[in-house]
Amino acid sequence: DTGVSQNPRHKITKRGQNVTFRCDPISEHNRLYWYRQTLGQGPEFLTYFQNEAQLEKSRLLSDRFSAERPKGSFSTLEIQRTEQGDSAMYLCASSLKGQTEAFFGQGTRLTVV
Amino acid sequence: KNQVEQSPQSLIILEGKNCTLQCNYTVSPFSNLRWYKQDTGRGPVSLTIMTFSENTKSNGRYTATLDADTKQSSLHITASQLSDSASYICVVSASVAGTYKYIFGTGTRLKVLA
Repeated sequence: DTGVSQNPRHKITKRGQNVTFRCDPISEHNRLYWYRQTLGQGPEFLTYFQNEAQLEKSRLLSDRFSAERPKGSFSTLEIQRTEQGDSAMYLCASSLKGQTEAFFGQGTRLTVV
Repeated sequence: KNQVEQSPQSLIILEGKNCTLQCNYTVSPFSNLRWYKQDTGRGPVSLTIMTFSENTKSNGRYTATLDADTKQSSLHITASQLSDSASYICVVSASVAGTYKYIFGTGTRLKVLA
């Protein structure tokens, strides 16, 4: 296990389409986070899971966004009816409960045209 | 409101020169402060972590300082290299009910020129 893996690395989609991203955390990590990062800004928190439970969601996570972590391992982030404002880098991070360091994946760069 | 502010927003220096990046925070309850390096199009990678009791920590050419009284941190880069060109993000963790919340700064974009 070499770290947090995100797929795809890049995604270009037309406005109105649905997209789904996948994150595979470091295998023993029980916490998983999703962040969104726009150009020139720091990452903004979207949601986090502890095992399969989604414990917190940001107000940034509109009804068009849904995240799942069905078996407490990998997670998916789906955006429905994409809008141009959804264009951003979507970062996933994982950590062990009780430890402070979160390890980030390489991100998925979404471009909505 | 928990906030992390970084300065400058961007910085251009010549290869071999030193530079210092600043981070001011208003985060409570403070748990630790971490500096991340983020190359363009990549995820952030941790450089240093500092807890409340630590004043200085080094990682190669990177030296971070923390003043918990004034709630300020700095990242000093010595003898800069072209590969140091990246965004440097200050992240402060707050421990709330056993959960760590990460508050990110907007980053300083460093460009090192030959």
